[in-house]
Amino acid sequence: SQTIHQWPATLVQPVGSPLSLECTVEGTSNPNLYWYRQAAGRGLQLLFYSVGIGQISSEVPQNLSASRPQDRQFILSSKKLLLSDSGFYLCAWTYGTRGNEQFFGPGTRLTVL
Amino acid sequence: GEDVEQSLFLSVREGDSSVINCTYTDSSSTYLYWYKQEPGAGLQLLTYIFSNMDMKQDQRLTVLLNKKDKHLSLRIADTQTGDSAIYFCAESPIGSSNTGKLIFGQGTTLQVKP
Repeated sequence: SQTIHQWPATLVQPVGSPLSLECTVEGTSNPNLYWYRQAAGRGLQLLFYSVGIGQISSEVPQNLSASRPQDRQFILSSKKLLLSDSGFYLCAWTYGTRGNEQFFGPGTRLTVL
Repeated sequence: GEDVEQSLFLSVREGDSSVINCTYTDSSSTYLYWYKQEPGAGLQLLTYIFSNMDMKQDQRLTVLLNKKDKHLSLRIADTQTGDSAIYFCAESPIGSSNTGKLIFGQGTTLQVKP
């Protein structure tokens, strides 16, 4: 069976510090991968998606970046965090060649102080 | 443009039925989804409906689709306190088969009172 992991589960970082959130998927190959942000009391905002290794599409301009160094690894980064980067970050995957059902990870709660 | 709209909040009493509504814009969407998010957790797929169906029933859940009005609803029968969560509607717009992108609504918070 397939599983998706995210870490860390929670993170408190000062403004201006760097960020690295990791997401890995097990039990499947060549998944499409997604990063979402959910601000407090708000819906999901798609930040990045990837259809293959090294292929990243950005949905919104911001000071975050994403990378996919391996087939089942997706990383969300920032060089300098802003207060507005606080939120709940969700990683998701879907089969690349069938359906659109997305499977979500447990999320990372990021607080920027 | 692509947009999915939901009401933000619904409060019901335990044992009553809950109906969560959603409107979407892309009439070519092939699948429409309902996800559930419990506090501090990721999203779990509850159910989905293919666009050529009008209704789908799965135990206490009933999904109704009105393609003409682009309206989707989720009915939860005999609502329990464990059903308290945020419910997201999502559509898979045309052209998303390669990217797998979904368009999510802003979520409806369901509060179940004992």
